[in-house]
Amino acid sequence: QVQLQESGPGLVKPSQTLSLTCTVSGGSVNSEYYYWSWIRQPAGKGLEWIGRIYTNGRTNYNPTLKSRVTISLDKSKNQFSLNLTSVSAADTAVYYCARYAAASGFDYWGQGTLVTVSS
Amino acid sequence: DIQMTQFPSTLSASVGDRVTITCRASQTITNWLAWYQQKPGKPPKLLIYQASHLQSGVPSRFSGSGSGTEFTLTISSLQPDDFATYYCQQYVGSPPFTFGGGTRVEI
Repeated sequence: QVQLQESGPGLVKPSQTLSLTCTVSGGSVNSEYYYWSWIRQPAGKGLEWIGRIYTNGRTNYNPTLKSRVTISLDKSKNQFSLNLTSVSAADTAVYYCARYAAASGFDYWGQGTLVTVSS
Repeated sequence: DIQMTQFPSTLSASVGDRVTITCRASQTITNWLAWYQQKPGKPPKLLIYQASHLQSGVPSRFSGSGSGTEFTLTISSLQPDDFATYYCQQYVGSPPFTFGGGTRVEI
């Protein structure tokens, strides 16, 4: 059974960098069949796709966030990470990591982690 | 980017009701549409992929249909466990992937 678990600070100051890690178990980030994604959800609102990474390191980002986002892969730890720079209160949200399969969409999700941007 | 519009945004129903949620894409996505169920404090759960394919383990009372720009999610007989928020999501071709605004199914 594939499991994903987000980790990282729950509080980030404005203008600083939000950094989260997703640890994958029961599957491999080195798989050629899947992409690994980040998605966020502000409280009481809908879902926003942030970006994804493939096993070869190729990335795709949401154009609305592209200038501030970096997603990276650590195959030795079976993890992938999100960095979001220059954060503001608008970046306060629950952040999810998820596995994406080209045929079926986002089939496995982490439980989510709340990140609050506040001084 | 492809915009996804869901309606209604809120739906009031009773146990046993047949429920239909509609999702419309701003341009054709053929059948590259998924439906998710989300309960408070939980991540979304994949229900339907490629518009009409039931994800493993999902009850058969859930079904999806449509192609092109118009899609529906139907719950044939609403159960107490089905009260939740439902999202559609397009994944045609290259990103960005986009979600609908959600439909809250309430008692």
